[in-house]
Parts: sequence; structure tokens; C-alpha cells
Amino acid sequence: DQQVKQNSPSLSVQEGRISILNCDYTNSMFDYFLWYKKYPAEGPTFLISISSIKDKNEDGRFTVFLNKSAKHLSLHIVPSQPGDSAVYFCAASGGNTDKLIFGTGTRLQVFP
Amino acid sequence: DAGVIQSPRHEVTEMGQEVTLRCKPISGHNSLFWYRQTMMRGLELLIYFNNNVPIDDSGMPEDRFSAKMPNASFSTLKIQPSEPRDSAVYFCASSYTGTGYGYTFGSGTRLTVV
Repeated sequence: DQQVKQNSPSLSVQEGRISILNCDYTNSMFDYFLWYKKYPAEGPTFLISISSIKDKNEDGRFTVFLNKSAKHLSLHIVPSQPGDSAVYFCAASGGNTDKLIFGTGTRLQVFP
Repeated sequence: DAGVIQSPRHEVTEMGQEVTLRCKPISGHNSLFWYRQTMMRGLELLIYFNNNVPIDDSGMPEDRFSAKMPNASFSTLKIQPSEPRDSAVYFCASSYTGTGYGYTFGSGTRLTVV
């Protein structure tokens, strides 16, 4: 069973607009959430994270929102740039473990 | 720091052959993870080690897969015998427990079993 779900396999956004990537989770023990970005032929790299005690975390153009009651988080990128084109993975951990559970990823394409 | 180093970058092998993937974690990191990336399941955790000890291998698909970490600077993932459905990109990642910044991934090994 997929504990972390990214239901949109792809997203296409015009440069300068907002990109919104969504993620749902099922395990209520998760208390830490992360987003990773992956370019082709490279490993995923850490982008931004949020603890379950917060509902928003912002880092420059990237903001992550957490809705615990809905078990939903989202990543907002504003403004989107062509260099943001990549696969974005949502990940979660909890229960006193280092283990990260990843979603299936969303491929973002930002066009001029 | 050279980051997490994986070898080989690409591996093509025939069905039934043994395949060994290698990983050197970042010095000082005490947790190491092996993931497999497929279109259907995304990044799937296979096994993870803490202080060189396997902690959770529940993601290892079957007995054909095995992983070792003989010391803090080296780990292997072995598939014997390999099958075409094992074709995927395999990633190794390491972290320092409790940093909260997630993992550092290697560049991956693309395995093709024909």
C-alpha cells in the first residue's frame, strides 16, 4: 500500500506563474515531511521540509503547506522558472525512525 | 566532500547473472539507505542501516536481494539471480541521524537486465 501518494504524475506551468504540487499521506504517525527535487541522471536533492507542529514553511520561492486534518501537503513555487523543471518527490517520516517514505513523484515542466 | 558515491553508474547484465551495486556514504553519516526507483512505485525503500546494522529490510523484494554494510564507509546491494523485472534505477542515500534535513542521495545505478 502506498502511504504517500502523489496523484498527479505531471504538471505543466508557464514561466512566472505559480506551480502547486500536491501530496497525500495515510499514516497518522508521520510527523515530518520533505520535498525532494530530481533532475535526470542525478539523485534527488533536498528542497524543503516541514514539521507537523507547523502548517507552513517558506524558503525563498518555495513554500510548503501542511494540513494535518486532511493528511495533505502541498508545495508552492512562485514564480516558476524553467530551471524548476524536474521531478518532485514528497516524503514523510515518523515514529522515531530515520526511514523516509516517498511518493511516486510529479514531473513539473515550466515553459517560457 | 565528494557526496554519496555509487558504482557502477550503468549496469547491463543477462538474466540469471549476479549483480553487485556499491555505495560509499558521506563520511560521518551513520545511516545508509538503499532505494529503487520505478515508474509505478516511485522511490521504494529496500533496506536501511544504522551504525552499520540493518534496521529494516522489509522492503527487500525477495530472497534474491541481499545487502551488507561491512564498515561505515561501504555498502553493497546484491541481486542473485537477476531478472528483467529488477531493471530500475537504484539509489543509495546517507544521513546523520537527527539532522532533520533528510538524506543525501548518490547519482544512482541504472540496472538493465536483459
